[in-house]
Amino acid sequence: EVQLVESGGGLVKPGGSLRLSCAASGFTFDNAWMSWVRQIPGKGLEWVGHIVRKTDGGSTQYATPVKGRFFISRDDSKNTLYLQMNNLKTEDTAVYYCTIDRQGVWYNYNGMAVWGQGTTVTVSS
Amino acid sequence: DIVMTQSPLSLAVTPGEPASISCRSSQSLLLSGRHYLDWYLQKPGQSPQLLISLGSNRASGVPARFSGSGSGTDFTLKISKVEAEDVGVYYCMHAQQIPYTFGQGTKLEIK
Repeated sequence: EVQLVESGGGLVKPGGSLRLSCAASGFTFDNAWMSWVRQIPGKGLEWVGHIVRKTDGGSTQYATPVKGRFFISRDDSKNTLYLQMNNLKTEDTAVYYCTIDRQGVWYNYNGMAVWGQGTTVTVSS
Repeated sequence: DIVMTQSPLSLAVTPGEPASISCRSSQSLLLSGRHYLDWYLQKPGQSPQLLISLGSNRASGVPARFSGSGSGTDFTLKISKVEAEDVGVYYCMHAQQIPYTFGQGTKLEIK
């Protein structure tokens, strides 16, 4: 069974840092592009960023609100995706989901069919 | 960034009746012959789930009453006969370029 399990959420003060993890199983993790998506309370969904597979260079891309503060990385030996969040702001309060962006080459995109259960980040003094 | 605009933002439907949600993008979502437009449903208390990818591809396990259509900048999600289990918030999302962006969401309720 394909599964994604996020962890690492919690309460943090403005300006603080937090690292989220996403444990993957049931698929070839090192062949997947992975995304983070967040849901701000009472609002909609927002794509945070993604990381491509190492075969394609392992590059990362981010949404404008988090660029320069959030960093996505992966450890293929542990089948784990990470989201390092620095200089957190109150507006970063959200449920954070990891998803499989695509598997294989870039044109293999077919929607984000697998999502984790989410982990909650609260930024408050 | 591409702006995604959904309408309506809410709708109430009688079970058995059809429903339709529109999604308009500020730029064409056509890339290498495919439209990079997805539809997701977030049921209350759950993670989002993929309904339709690339404009019209129904995801695995999604009932046939859901269909997607459209091209360029205008897309539509249709539910042929709404069921009680279809309640939730529907989002369109593009993956045509970075950053991906979502529509505001359309809340579907049952009358």
